Amino acid sequence: SQQGEEDPQALSIQEGENATMNCSYKTSINNLQWYRQNSGRGLVHLILIRSNEREKHSGRLRVTLDTSKKSSSLLITASRAADTASYFCATPAGGTSYGKLTFGQGTILTVHP
Amino acid sequence: GAVVSQHPSWVICKSGTSVKIECRSLDFQATTMFWYRQFPKQSLMLMATSNEGSKATYEQGVEKDKFLINHASLTLSTLTVTSAHPEDSSFYICSAKRGSSYNEQFFGPGTRLTVL
Repeated sequence: SQQGEEDPQALSIQEGENATMNCSYKTSINNLQWYRQNSGRGLVHLILIRSNEREKHSGRLRVTLDTSKKSSSLLITASRAADTASYFCATPAGGTSYGKLTFGQGTILTVHP
Repeated sequence: GAVVSQHPSWVICKSGTSVKIECRSLDFQATTMFWYRQFPKQSLMLMATSNEGSKATYEQGVEKDKFLINHASLTLSTLTVTSAHPEDSSFYICSAKRGSSYNEQFFGPGTRLTVL
């Protein structure tokens, strides 16, 4: 099965609410990344968290990493309609830093105005 | 900085024809580029790793003769879908790796291929 399983698969919320997405992975990693993809578009890098970090913030984004549980979460606070997109976690394929990434299945987030 | 472009952004072709997709790093040199395929409502699947000046490395299950990759310069990689069939219809995304630390790579906007 693919490294990087995410849940929920789909999330529908109202503007202003918080959205939390989770990602689990199987092998040891040195970093984990989150990306956003608007429908039919390329990926936008959101944040990278290294294995020695437990939490990282960027604007309204908060990412946590629990290497003991091999899981990560992405929290978007005070969501906006413009946050509607698919969100993917990505880990180095085979745990390397060579550059190959394995993507999770993604969470489709819909924020209703 | 760190912009990656793809051309074309979409293409429609007839079954049996070949289609070339370009991936360019506009403001940095990329010794390594990656090609991904994404089916509707699914995740990205890595197809191959493209290294400048050498043969591409394909992931298991990806046909080398069908998906020809050329990385002739530090800013350009091309993916040619040969003898395309309707099942090749997909969204193709490239990424370019900058530097050697961690996984700092940047994604192109994608190319939508529809084979009739």
